[in-house]
Amino acid sequence: AQSVTQPDIHITVSEGASLELRCNYSYGATPYLFWYVQSPGQGLQLLLKYFSGDTLVQGIKGFEAEFKRSQSSFNLRKPSVHWRDAAEYFCAVGPTNFGNEKLTFGTGTRLTIIP
Amino acid sequence: DTGVSQNPRHKITKRGQNVTFRCDPISEHNRLYWYRQTLGQGPEFLTYFQNEAQLEKSRLLSDRFSAERPKGSFSTLEIQRTEQGDSAMYLCAGSLDNSPLHFGNGTRLTVT
Repeated sequence: AQSVTQPDIHITVSEGASLELRCNYSYGATPYLFWYVQSPGQGLQLLLKYFSGDTLVQGIKGFEAEFKRSQSSFNLRKPSVHWRDAAEYFCAVGPTNFGNEKLTFGTGTRLTIIP
Repeated sequence: DTGVSQNPRHKITKRGQNVTFRCDPISEHNRLYWYRQTLGQGPEFLTYFQNEAQLEKSRLLSDRFSAERPKGSFSTLEIQRTEQGDSAMYLCAGSLDNSPLHFGNGTRLTVT
């Protein structure tokens, strides 16, 4: 069965500092990988996705993620965070031969930005 | 296109009552999904529709839950005889085939 682990429940960084959020997945083949962001009381917004090809994926809001098959990881990065980036971040994995109904989400990482 | 719309945003109900939520997806989304998100967790899949056909239901969807998408446009999710364990955020999402999910802002249900 597929699974996603986000080992950091809560991360605090200073505004302007760099950010890396960790995501490890378990899946038997090459998965579809996603990062979503959720602001308080809101739905989830897609930041970026990896299907195939270049393992470094660029997303919206200045975020990027790197797929590392050897480490079963898909970590999210941003070189310089802004106070507006404070939110909950979810990594998700899905099989390539099924649809979105098979997506599995991690438990999320809450990001706090300090001035 | 105003995005995926969910109503109501919040619902407080007493245990044992029935509740119904509505989701209006983006018009071009032929697929519509319902997810449930409890505090401190990621979304969990409940069910999805391809147009008006309900194609899959999770084991999380007990007999008290029913979802419909009668004309392949809006969808409703009804919970009968609510229990305190049903308290959660119910998220609707749409997609065109297997394109990435586009979520609504959710309906937060509190069962007292």
